[in-house]
Amino acid sequence: AQSVTQLGSHVSVSEGALVLLRCNYSSSVPPYLFWYVQYPNQGLQLLLKYTTGATLVKGINGFEAEFKKSETSFHLTKPSAHMSDAAEYFCAVSDGDAGNMLTFGGGTRLMVKP
Amino acid sequence: DTAVSQTPKYLVTQMGNDKSIKCEQNLGHDTMYWYKQDSKKFLKIMFSYNNKELIINETVPNRFSPKSPDKAHLNLHINSLELGDSAVYFCASSQDWGGNYGYTFGSGTRLTVV
Repeated sequence: AQSVTQLGSHVSVSEGALVLLRCNYSSSVPPYLFWYVQYPNQGLQLLLKYTTGATLVKGINGFEAEFKKSETSFHLTKPSAHMSDAAEYFCAVSDGDAGNMLTFGGGTRLMVKP
Repeated sequence: DTAVSQTPKYLVTQMGNDKSIKCEQNLGHDTMYWYKQDSKKFLKIMFSYNNKELIINETVPNRFSPKSPDKAHLNLHINSLELGDSAVYFCASSQDWGGNYGYTFGSGTRLTVV
Protein backbone atom coordinates (compact mmCIF):
# COMPACT_ATOMS: atom_id res chain seq x y z
CA ALA A 1 0.00 0.00 0.00
CA GLN A 2 1.23 3.47 -0.75
CA SER A 3 0.77 6.65 1.24
CA VAL A 4 1.72 10.31 1.14
CA THR A 5 2.45 12.68 4.00
CA GLN A 6 2.60 16.40 3.51
CA LEU A 7 4.26 18.14 6.43
CA GLY A 8 2.49 21.34 7.30
CA SER A 9 -1.14 21.85 6.40
CA HIS A 10 -0.47 25.60 6.13
CA VAL A 11 2.65 27.38 4.93
CA SER A 12 3.00 31.16 4.88
CA VAL A 13 5.74 33.00 3.00
CA SER A 14 6.39 36.58 1.99
CA GLU A 15 6.23 37.59 -1.63
CA GLY A 16 9.65 37.00 -3.17
CA ALA A 17 10.68 34.43 -0.58
CA LEU A 18 11.54 30.80 -1.19
CA VAL A 19 8.64 28.36 -1.27
CA LEU A 20 9.25 24.88 0.17
CA LEU A 21 6.40 22.41 0.45
CA ARG A 22 7.30 19.04 1.90
CA CYS A 23 6.14 15.65 0.73
CA ASN A 24 7.19 12.19 1.92
CA TYR A 25 5.83 9.01 0.44
CA SER A 26 5.67 5.34 1.15
CA SER A 27 5.65 2.85 -1.69
CA SER A 28 6.72 -0.75 -2.07
CA VAL A 29 7.91 -0.19 -5.64
CA PRO A 30 9.62 2.69 -7.42
CA PRO A 31 7.00 5.39 -7.28
CA TYR A 32 5.56 7.81 -9.75
CA LEU A 33 5.19 11.15 -8.00
CA PHE A 34 3.09 14.18 -8.75
CA TRP A 35 2.35 17.65 -7.49
CA TYR A 36 -1.01 19.26 -8.16
CA VAL A 37 -2.27 22.76 -7.43
CA GLN A 38 -5.86 23.69 -6.63
CA TYR A 39 -7.00 27.29 -6.80
CA PRO A 40 -10.18 28.26 -4.94
CA ASN A 41 -13.31 26.70 -6.38
CA GLN A 42 -11.38 24.98 -9.14
CA GLY A 43 -10.21 21.50 -9.99
CA LEU A 44 -6.68 20.19 -9.56
CA GLN A 45 -4.05 21.12 -12.11
CA LEU A 46 -0.89 19.11 -12.67
CA LEU A 47 2.24 21.08 -11.73
CA LEU A 48 4.88 18.46 -12.41
CA LYS A 49 5.57 14.77 -12.27
CA TYR A 50 8.42 12.33 -11.74
CA THR A 51 8.32 8.94 -13.40
CA THR A 52 11.87 7.87 -14.27
CA GLY A 53 15.13 9.54 -15.24
CA ALA A 54 16.31 12.90 -13.94
CA THR A 55 15.42 13.29 -10.30
CA LEU A 56 15.02 17.06 -10.50
CA VAL A 57 11.88 17.86 -12.42
CA LYS A 58 10.65 21.24 -13.52
CA GLY A 59 7.03 22.16 -13.79
CA ILE A 60 4.81 25.05 -14.65
CA ASN A 61 4.86 28.48 -13.01
CA GLY A 62 8.51 28.16 -11.97
CA PHE A 63 8.04 25.22 -9.61
CA GLU A 64 10.37 22.28 -9.37
CA ALA A 65 10.70 19.18 -7.24
CA GLU A 66 13.45 16.71 -6.50
CA PHE A 67 12.95 12.99 -6.02
CA LYS A 68 15.19 11.67 -3.25
CA LYS A 69 14.85 7.94 -2.95
CA SER A 70 17.01 7.67 0.18
CA GLU A 71 14.77 10.15 1.97
CA THR A 72 11.52 8.98 0.31
CA SER A 73 10.82 12.63 -0.38
CA PHE A 74 9.55 14.75 -3.24
CA HIS A 75 9.60 18.31 -1.95
CA LEU A 76 8.25 21.16 -4.06
CA THR A 77 10.18 24.44 -4.33
CA LYS A 78 10.01 27.78 -6.04
CA PRO A 79 12.78 30.38 -5.65
CA SER A 80 10.52 33.42 -5.40
CA ALA A 81 6.88 33.37 -4.36
CA HIS A 82 4.25 35.41 -6.16
CA MET A 83 0.89 36.41 -4.80
CA SER A 84 -0.70 34.30 -7.51
CA ASP A 85 0.91 31.17 -6.03
CA ALA A 86 -1.50 31.22 -3.10
CA ALA A 87 -3.43 27.96 -3.41
CA GLU A 88 -3.74 24.43 -2.08
CA TYR A 89 -0.98 22.04 -3.15
CA PHE A 90 -1.29 18.27 -3.23
CA CYS A 91 1.41 15.66 -3.51
CA ALA A 92 0.38 12.30 -4.96
CA VAL A 93 1.95 8.89 -5.54
CA SER A 94 1.25 6.01 -7.89
CA ASP A 95 3.08 2.75 -8.34
CA GLY A 96 2.23 2.78 -12.02
CA ASP A 97 0.55 -0.60 -12.09
CA ALA A 98 -2.50 -1.08 -14.21
CA GLY A 99 -5.59 -0.42 -12.21
CA ASN A 100 -3.74 1.58 -9.62
CA MET A 101 -4.99 4.95 -8.60
CA LEU A 102 -3.28 8.08 -7.37
CA THR A 103 -3.06 8.42 -3.62
CA PHE A 104 -3.02 12.01 -2.45
CA GLY A 105 -1.54 13.67 0.58
CA GLY A 106 -3.67 15.85 2.81
CA GLY A 107 -2.69 19.04 1.02
CA THR A 108 -0.78 22.17 2.03
CA ARG A 109 -2.30 25.59 1.84
CA LEU A 110 0.24 28.12 0.68
CA MET A 111 -0.36 31.71 1.75
CA VAL A 112 1.71 34.54 0.28
CA LYS A 113 2.03 37.76 2.22
CA PRO A 114 2.67 41.05 0.43
CA ASP B 1 -13.04 23.27 -25.19
CA THR B 2 -13.06 21.94 -21.63
CA ALA B 3 -11.06 18.71 -21.36
CA VAL B 4 -12.99 17.20 -18.46
CA SER B 5 -16.38 18.72 -17.80
CA GLN B 6 -18.77 18.03 -14.95
CA THR B 7 -22.38 19.01 -14.51
CA PRO B 8 -23.84 20.43 -12.45
CA LYS B 9 -21.26 22.65 -10.76
CA TYR B 10 -23.46 23.07 -7.69
CA LEU B 11 -26.12 20.69 -6.40
CA VAL B 12 -28.28 21.30 -3.34
CA THR B 13 -30.71 18.56 -2.41
CA GLN B 14 -32.58 17.07 0.50
CA MET B 15 -31.69 13.97 2.46
CA GLY B 16 -33.11 10.82 0.98
CA ASN B 17 -33.13 12.05 -2.61
CA ASP B 18 -31.36 10.36 -5.51
CA LYS B 19 -29.07 12.45 -7.70
CA SER B 20 -26.60 12.07 -10.54
CA ILE B 21 -23.48 13.96 -11.51
CA LYS B 22 -22.33 13.78 -15.10
CA CYS B 23 -18.76 13.74 -16.38
CA GLU B 24 -17.45 13.89 -19.91
CA GLN B 25 -13.89 13.97 -21.23
CA ASN B 26 -12.83 14.87 -24.76
CA LEU B 27 -9.20 13.85 -24.39
CA GLY B 28 -9.59 10.35 -25.74
CA HIS B 29 -8.36 8.97 -22.43
CA ASP B 30 -8.92 5.34 -21.55
CA THR B 31 -9.51 5.64 -17.82
CA MET B 32 -11.81 7.78 -15.71
CA TYR B 33 -12.13 8.29 -11.97
CA TRP B 34 -14.30 9.79 -9.30
CA TYR B 35 -12.79 11.44 -6.24
CA LYS B 36 -14.48 12.91 -3.19
CA GLN B 37 -12.96 15.97 -1.49
CA ASP B 38 -14.20 16.58 2.03
CA SER B 39 -14.40 19.85 3.93
CA LYS B 40 -10.77 19.46 5.05
CA LYS B 41 -9.66 19.17 1.41
CA PHE B 42 -8.80 15.49 1.77
CA LEU B 43 -9.11 13.67 -1.56
CA LYS B 44 -10.42 10.12 -1.52
CA ILE B 45 -10.62 7.85 -4.56
CA MET B 46 -14.05 6.38 -5.10
CA PHE B 47 -13.94 4.58 -8.43
CA SER B 48 -11.66 3.83 -11.32
CA TYR B 49 -13.11 2.73 -14.66
CA ASN B 50 -11.24 1.44 -17.70
CA ASN B 51 -12.71 -0.27 -20.73
CA LYS B 52 -15.66 -1.61 -18.81
CA GLU B 53 -13.55 -2.74 -15.87
CA LEU B 54 -14.52 -1.10 -12.64
CA ILE B 55 -12.45 -0.87 -9.51
CA ILE B 56 -14.31 0.25 -6.45
CA ASN B 57 -12.79 1.63 -3.30
CA GLU B 58 -14.12 -0.75 -0.68
CA THR B 59 -14.92 2.08 1.69
CA VAL B 60 -17.45 3.63 -0.69
CA PRO B 61 -21.06 2.92 0.33
CA ASN B 62 -23.06 0.96 -2.20
CA ARG B 63 -25.44 3.92 -2.47
CA PHE B 64 -22.84 5.29 -4.85
CA SER B 65 -22.70 3.76 -8.32
CA PRO B 66 -20.74 4.81 -11.40
CA LYS B 67 -22.32 4.45 -14.80
CA SER B 68 -20.37 4.63 -18.05
CA PRO B 69 -22.40 4.73 -21.28
CA ASP B 70 -19.18 5.01 -23.30
CA LYS B 71 -15.47 5.64 -22.91
CA ALA B 72 -15.88 9.43 -22.78
CA HIS B 73 -18.46 9.48 -20.01
CA LEU B 74 -18.52 8.35 -16.40
CA ASN B 75 -21.51 9.47 -14.39
CA LEU B 76 -21.95 9.16 -10.64
CA HIS B 77 -25.32 8.17 -9.26
CA ILE B 78 -26.07 8.52 -5.57
CA ASN B 79 -29.10 6.96 -3.88
CA SER B 80 -30.67 7.97 -0.59
CA LEU B 81 -28.44 10.97 -0.02
CA GLU B 82 -27.17 11.58 3.50
CA LEU B 83 -25.79 14.69 5.19
CA GLY B 84 -22.31 13.16 5.18
CA ASP B 85 -22.34 12.97 1.41
CA SER B 86 -21.90 16.73 1.28
CA ALA B 87 -18.55 17.33 -0.41
CA VAL B 88 -16.95 18.32 -3.67
CA TYR B 89 -16.85 15.50 -6.19
CA PHE B 90 -14.18 15.51 -8.86
CA CYS B 91 -14.11 13.55 -12.05
CA ALA B 92 -10.72 12.86 -13.63
CA SER B 93 -9.28 11.00 -16.57
CA SER B 94 -5.90 9.58 -17.46
CA GLN B 95 -4.23 8.47 -20.63
CA ASP B 96 -3.34 5.06 -19.24
CA TRP B 97 -4.65 2.57 -16.71
CA GLY B 98 -1.88 3.26 -14.23
CA GLY B 99 -2.16 7.05 -14.26
CA ASN B 100 1.53 7.29 -15.09
CA TYR B 101 1.03 10.53 -16.98
CA GLY B 102 -1.05 12.07 -14.26
CA TYR B 103 -4.72 12.87 -14.23
CA THR B 104 -6.75 15.66 -15.79
CA PHE B 105 -9.41 16.85 -13.39
CA GLY B 106 -12.76 18.44 -13.92
CA SER B 107 -13.66 21.58 -12.01
CA GLY B 108 -15.76 19.72 -9.47
CA THR B 109 -19.36 19.45 -8.33
CA ARG B 110 -20.17 20.88 -4.92
CA LEU B 111 -22.90 18.71 -3.42
CA THR B 112 -24.79 20.02 -0.41
CA VAL B 113 -27.28 17.76 1.30
CA VAL B 114 -29.75 19.52 3.61
